[in-house]
Amino acid sequence: TQLLEQSPQFLSIQEGENLTVYCNSSSVFSSLQWYRQEPGEGPVLLVTVVTGGEVKKLKRLTFQFGDARKDSSLHITAAQPGDTGLYLCAGQNTGGFKTIFGAGTRLFVKA
Amino acid sequence: EAGVAQSPRYKIIEKRQSVAFWCNPISGHATLYWYQQILGQGPKLLIQFQNNGVVDDSQLPKDRFSAERLKGVDSTLKIQPAKLEDSAVYLCASSFSAGPGNTIYFGEGSWLTVV
Repeated sequence: TQLLEQSPQFLSIQEGENLTVYCNSSSVFSSLQWYRQEPGEGPVLLVTVVTGGEVKKLKRLTFQFGDARKDSSLHITAAQPGDTGLYLCAGQNTGGFKTIFGAGTRLFVKA
Repeated sequence: EAGVAQSPRYKIIEKRQSVAFWCNPISGHATLYWYQQILGQGPKLLIQFQNNGVVDDSQLPKDRFSAERLKGVDSTLKIQPAKLEDSAVYLCASSFSAGPGNTIYFGEGSWLTVV
C-alpha cells in the first residue's frame, strides 16, 4: 500500500516567517501534486511536479520533487495570513491511474 | 466554466438511516472520484470511475456504501445503513482523464453528520 506522510501535522507561525513542509513516502510516484484546502471548501491544485529533482516556483511558494521521486517539499517565504489552510500532497502511482493523498499540514499564519 | 456540483451540502441523519449524495462533474471530464475526508485527515479515495466503469473501489465499504455513474456523467453515492464513523465530508471530484499529472477538480463537499 502506498502511503504519503506529511510533516509537520500542524504549524502556527507569525506573518513574515519562512516555513517548509514535507511529504515523504517509501514508494515511487510518477507525479506529485500539492493542493491547498480552505475551511468549507474542496482542495485546489497549486502545482504538479513530474521529474525527479524538479523545482517549481509559484510567487512565494517553492516546490521540490525528490531525485528518487519519493518525496517532496513546499517552502513558503514571508508567509501571509492568506496562506492559512490545509496543505495536501497527492501522489500518482506509476500506472498513473490512482491518486492518493497525505493527511495534510495545517498552517496558521498570525497577523 | 462551471465547477463540480454537489448536493446536499449538509445532512444530519440518525445511525442506521440511509443517505444519498449527488455529484455533477465538470463537463467533458471522463474521470470521477468520490473521496471521504474525516475531520483532521486527508481525503481517502472511495471509488474512481472512468466514464461509467469502475477503475478502483478497493476502499469502498461495499456492505454499506454503493455508487453509480449512469451514462458516464452524474454520479450518486449512497450509504445504507449509516454508522457513526461515517460522519465526514464526502468530496466529489473530476478530471479530464486519469493520466499522470492530471488536475483533479473538487466540489465543495457534502457534510454528513451521523448521530
